[in-house]
Amino acid sequence: DTGVSQNPRHKITKRGQNVTFRCDPISEHNRLYWYRQTLGQGPEFLTYFQNEAQLEKSRLLSDRFSAERPKGSFSTLEIQRTEQGDSAMYLCASSLVSGQIGELFFGEGSRLTVL
Amino acid sequence: KQEVTQIPAALSVPEGENLVLNCSFTDSAIYNLQWFRQDPGKGLTSLLLIQSSQREQTSGRLNASLDKSSGRSTLYIAASQPGDSATYLCGPEASSNTGKLIFGQGTTLQVKP
Repeated sequence: DTGVSQNPRHKITKRGQNVTFRCDPISEHNRLYWYRQTLGQGPEFLTYFQNEAQLEKSRLLSDRFSAERPKGSFSTLEIQRTEQGDSAMYLCASSLVSGQIGELFFGEGSRLTVL
Repeated sequence: KQEVTQIPAALSVPEGENLVLNCSFTDSAIYNLQWFRQDPGKGLTSLLLIQSSQREQTSGRLNASLDKSSGRSTLYIAASQPGDSATYLCGPEASSNTGKLIFGQGTTLQVKP
């Protein structure tokens, strides 16, 4: 499978615990995006990387959230001290930007449930 | 702030009908626009990418048009099939060429056999 891979697919945790999600983009894609999607809503942008550089962070990304892409390949999204409001699907996408064109390809998502 | 609205929010049709899904966005200064489908509990599957300089794009039974000046895009599905049942999302790209897409709530389509 050469698509975007996300792990774990499902995570159930208790409030106050830390969780980490991993995203493996399509090989050689230089951009990587994180989105969050709650039930019945469209995805909301969280942050994105160009290679290993984090270029933009949404105001939705509070200081409990941190994302990294250390070698410009896979990325992790960590949520510290989880709250019930963090329950959502976390989606990762990648693209290969050529000129001004970069089609986004999404993974299957990581669903987080905070009890 | 870019806002995206998709109309209708839900649609139920018999198999074989031709469909039009509408997407409007408030800031016409966009780059590209992508259409996706999303099956329940799954990620987004890219359907079509309309580049900034294009007015439409076609793939099989799907045709998408883009009118940046009026802030609208339309997805046309020909001869709908039960397998087309899904939520359809449009994502205009913010003007800063970051590849960052802004989404509305989507149109949930049910095609009945």
